[in-house]
Amino acid sequence: AQSVSQHNHHVILSEAASLELGCNYSYGGTVNLFWYVQYPGQHLQLLLKYFSGDPLVKGIKGFEAEFIKSKFSFNLRKPSVQWSDTAEYFCAVNTPLGGYQKVTFGTGTKLQVIP
Amino acid sequence: DTAVSQTPKYLVTQMGNDKSIKCEQNLGHDTMYWYKQDSKKFLKIMFSYNNKELIINETVPNRFSPKSPDKAHLNLHINSLELGDSAVYFCASNRRPGQGSYEQYFGPGTRLTVT
Repeated sequence: AQSVSQHNHHVILSEAASLELGCNYSYGGTVNLFWYVQYPGQHLQLLLKYFSGDPLVKGIKGFEAEFIKSKFSFNLRKPSVQWSDTAEYFCAVNTPLGGYQKVTFGTGTKLQVIP
Repeated sequence: DTAVSQTPKYLVTQMGNDKSIKCEQNLGHDTMYWYKQDSKKFLKIMFSYNNKELIINETVPNRFSPKSPDKAHLNLHINSLELGDSAVYFCASNRRPGQGSYEQYFGPGTRLTVT
């Protein structure tokens, strides 16, 4: 069965620091990859997604992620974080399930940005 | 013009009671989901329906019964509520594969507290 690992459970950064959150998945076939963000007290929203093509994907609010197939990774990056980036970040993988898809989420990474 | 809506937003009830949470999406999506998010923010898929048909049923106690009267609605009924059922329950929807981008759209969540 597929799984998604997010190794960083809680990250604390100062404003303007660079961010990289790790995401690794285990599935040998074609996958679609996502990063979602959950701001405090809110629902999950899509940050960015990878389906095919350029493995470097740009999302909203200056975030980007790089799909490295050989490493089964899809790490999230941002060159300079802001206090407003404080949130929980979830990596997710879609894999085929018959004619449908199965979504597997990672355990999440809590990002705390200190002003 | 909310995309995915859930009612109620908050639900406080006593152990042993039966309660329902409703979800509606106006995005024209075929697939809907229920997720449970615990106090550690871990997001676990519970059920998935495609056009009123159950396609994913994870290991969930049979006290939980989803019902999909049509493809725009997916309700969750919980019998004999237990303390461990306290969590935030999120509804989500997406398109089927082959119908374009199919990231998930999440509802605002229902915070269930069992006392």
